[in-house]
Amino acid sequence: DTAVSQTPKYLVTQMGNDKSIKCEQNLGHDTMYWYKQDSKKFLKIMFSYNNKELIINETVPNRFSPKSPDKAHLNLHINSLELGDSAVYFCASRRTDTGELFFGEGSRLTVL
Amino acid sequence: QQPVQSPQAVILREGEDAVINCSSSKALYSVHWYRQKHGEAPVFLMILLKGGEQKGHDKISASFNEKKQQSSLYLTASQLSYSGTYFCGTLNSGNTPLVFGKGTRLSVIA
Repeated sequence: DTAVSQTPKYLVTQMGNDKSIKCEQNLGHDTMYWYKQDSKKFLKIMFSYNNKELIINETVPNRFSPKSPDKAHLNLHINSLELGDSAVYFCASRRTDTGELFFGEGSRLTVL
Repeated sequence: QQPVQSPQAVILREGEDAVINCSSSKALYSVHWYRQKHGEAPVFLMILLKGGEQKGHDKISASFNEKKQQSSLYLTASQLSYSGTYFCGTLNSGNTPLVFGKGTRLSVIA
């Protein structure tokens, strides 16, 4: 029973298209995140949500729009995809008492 | 503020030891350590919250200095399974998201 699940695992698309990635956690955590990992393996925080509310939006282009329909789900929609958006996107949820992060398997986005 | 990790990469033979450092210019709320194997998600190793704290399990341990600005991860008698990229993540306060260092790529060879 996967704790944090993301779909799809792989996306290959053309520049200019729009795509979405879905994330669900069954751990009952209140806080969820989106991280972007580029080709140099740098893990960069994009968004932070607490109980469906956006807490932090790092310097991310507004082509990226997160949505949290409930505290177990955090989706990421990307408009007008660019080559530089190619990366692995990780969803994570945070255990409240310890702060430990539980990561999804990642969604590898390739923009051609 | 992103923590600084060193070294960037290290190659070990099985059985050798390694130390990975993580430092910040400001006192931190906590330090996390994660390991990521190729093609997989990062996996939690441990959290350090208190200045002077040391923690460990099996042959992987970590310390957090008294000023809470520097943490080190110690891998002793390394095994092939230790290979991967190690990230430290730091929190400036209890409510901020984890900010990761650039990672240390560890390769253990037979």
